[in-house]
Amino acid sequence: EVQLLESGGGLVQPGGSLRLSCTASGFIFSSFAMTWVRQAPGKGLEWVSSISGSSVATYSADSVKGRFTISRDNSKNTLYLEMNSLRAEDTAVYYCARDSDSLITPRLYRDHWGPGIQVTVSS
Amino acid sequence: QSALTQPRSVSGSPGQSVTISCSGTSSDIGAYKYVSWYQQRPGKAPKIMIYAVSQRASGVPDRFSGSKSGNTASLTISGLQADDEADYYCCSYAGNSILWVFGGGTRLTVL
Repeated sequence: EVQLLESGGGLVQPGGSLRLSCTASGFIFSSFAMTWVRQAPGKGLEWVSSISGSSVATYSADSVKGRFTISRDNSKNTLYLEMNSLRAEDTAVYYCARDSDSLITPRLYRDHWGPGIQVTVSS
Repeated sequence: QSALTQPRSVSGSPGQSVTISCSGTSSDIGAYKYVSWYQQRPGKAPKIMIYAVSQRASGVPDRFSGSKSGNTASLTISGLQADDEADYYCCSYAGNSILWVFGGGTRLTVL
């Protein structure tokens, strides 16, 4: 059974940093691209960042480019999201999701999701 | 890149059919055959329902179907059941600087 579990969320002040982790099990982690998606309170879903199975390719939304860094450690079956220079508008539930293939291509979709982790940016 | 446009809410009675539209542009929905749909129940993570416009994900009942015409995609749920009540989000590949764009979500109420 595919399982994804996010950790590392919490309350942080504007301008601060946070590192989210997503621990995966039940599948060959390195064979799948992974994605972070967030959802602000009462709002819709927003794609944040994706990484290919081998880490060769990474992509991030303009709203987080230069501030957030996606990475993975296939030996630990773990996905990361390093978040710096956090802003109030980054407040959201962050979901880790497994993608349907190892390469980042247009046909990719999120086929399994973690339960999500809350990140709150506030003074 | 703006979010895709969905109706805020739709409703239907048990047994009826409802269709949720998702309007995009020639740069996203109109340019690619890669629209997916996700179901999200309150307080839960999204769940894949449809991918590649019309392909049902594993375990999804055939009451759920997807289609696309021009810049608009649609999700149709037939034989509505109480358990279908949830928020539904469309998503399309968009290329360039924002690889994937989501719709704002549609709340389905089963009357």
